[in-house]
Amino acid sequence: DQQVKQNSPSLSVQEGRISILNCDYTNSMFDYFLWYKKYPAEGPTFLISISSIKDKNEDGRFTVFLNKSAKHLSLHIVPSQPGDSAVYFCAASTGNQFYFGTGTSLTVIP
Amino acid sequence: DTGVSQDPRHKITKRGQNVTFRCDPISEHNRLYWYRQTLGQGPEFLTYFQNEAQLEKSRLLSDRFSAERPKGSFSTLEIQRTEQGDSAMYLCASSVGLTNEQFFGPGTRLTVL
Repeated sequence: DQQVKQNSPSLSVQEGRISILNCDYTNSMFDYFLWYKKYPAEGPTFLISISSIKDKNEDGRFTVFLNKSAKHLSLHIVPSQPGDSAVYFCAASTGNQFYFGTGTSLTVIP
Repeated sequence: DTGVSQDPRHKITKRGQNVTFRCDPISEHNRLYWYRQTLGQGPEFLTYFQNEAQLEKSRLLSDRFSAERPKGSFSTLEIQRTEQGDSAMYLCASSVGLTNEQFFGPGTRLTVL
């Protein structure tokens, strides 16, 4: 059973515009959410996280929004840059177990 | 800071053979995780260590899989009697303290023929 879902396998955005990546989850016990970025032949790299007690966390060009009632989180990248092109995974945790989505491949077009 | 390292990076084996992978976490990271990732999927949690103690195991971790972290530093993941379905990328990650931020290694790609 997929507890964390990323329903968009791919996304293309023009350089300078906003990229919005979405993630849905089913387990209301999740208390921490994270976004990772992955380049080919490398392991995932941590981007940004948010605790379930917050609804927004911002770090530079990256902002994560959490809507607990909808069990939905999103990652906003503004402005998007070609170097942002990668696969983005959302993850959720309860205790010491982490559950990852299937990833969204972002392409930022120069 | 050398990051999380994994060895080997690639392993090709025949069905029925045993394989062992090694993970060296970032020094002083007391938490270590193993994941498996197949094509088109996200990483799937396998097991978690805090120091040398294995505290969590996924039901994905069948009895053919065993993991150790003998001195709370490096960790090994062994797969016995490999099957073609074991073909995947095996990722290791580490973290420290109360943070949930995990640092991932580059992974070991296993191909079972």
